Amino acid sequence: GQNIDQPTEMTATEGAIVQINCTYQTSGFNGLFWYQQHAGEAPTFLSYNVLDGLEEKGRFSSFLSRSKGYSYLLLKELQMKDSASYLCAVRGTMDSSYKLIFGSGTRLLVRP
Amino acid sequence: EAGVAQSPRYKIIEKRQSVAFWCNPISGHATLYWYQQILGQGPKLLIQFQNNGVVDDSQLPKDRFSAERLKGVDSTLKIQPAKLEDSAVYLCASSPRQINSPLHFGNGTRLTVT
Repeated sequence: GQNIDQPTEMTATEGAIVQINCTYQTSGFNGLFWYQQHAGEAPTFLSYNVLDGLEEKGRFSSFLSRSKGYSYLLLKELQMKDSASYLCAVRGTMDSSYKLIFGSGTRLLVRP
Repeated sequence: EAGVAQSPRYKIIEKRQSVAFWCNPISGHATLYWYQQILGQGPKLLIQFQNNGVVDDSQLPKDRFSAERLKGVDSTLKIQPAKLEDSAVYLCASSPRQINSPLHFGNGTRLTVT
């Protein structure tokens, strides 16, 4: 089976840095995705990690440690528009049809 | 490129009625997914198609839910009869065949069952 854990809510200040953690327990692993979802909208793709280490994309970075079953999304220079839910998702192996399973999401509130 | 198209955007029905949702994926995407997202939760996979074949439907409540992708392009998801707990957003997504490819989501159909 698969289990993905994320904090339910986080609050941060505009201009600051915030780190959203994700831990997972899966029977197989073929990559971890982060998505952003604004209220009432569809999830949009942010980042993908399949090897250990840090992937940087502008203000957003994502880190993966496969041995620890751990990832984080780092958001720098926070803006008000970053208030959204952030979803961690793990892709399984061929045995599970490469399914993409989502965590419950972390709701981030950015305050002025 | 055009995104994933879904319709309707909103639907309100009474319990025990039936409802159908339609999805047209991004052109050329072999894999199509239907997810159910209950308010405050992450998306839950209902069914996954590869071209016109079902790859995984282990989480689909088959006594009331059905889905098809007859020509390997667009897809419909049906609920019959609906229950109150089916109130959710139904998201369709598509992706190319490569396993490192992200899913592209449509705007979803928000279903309210009263």
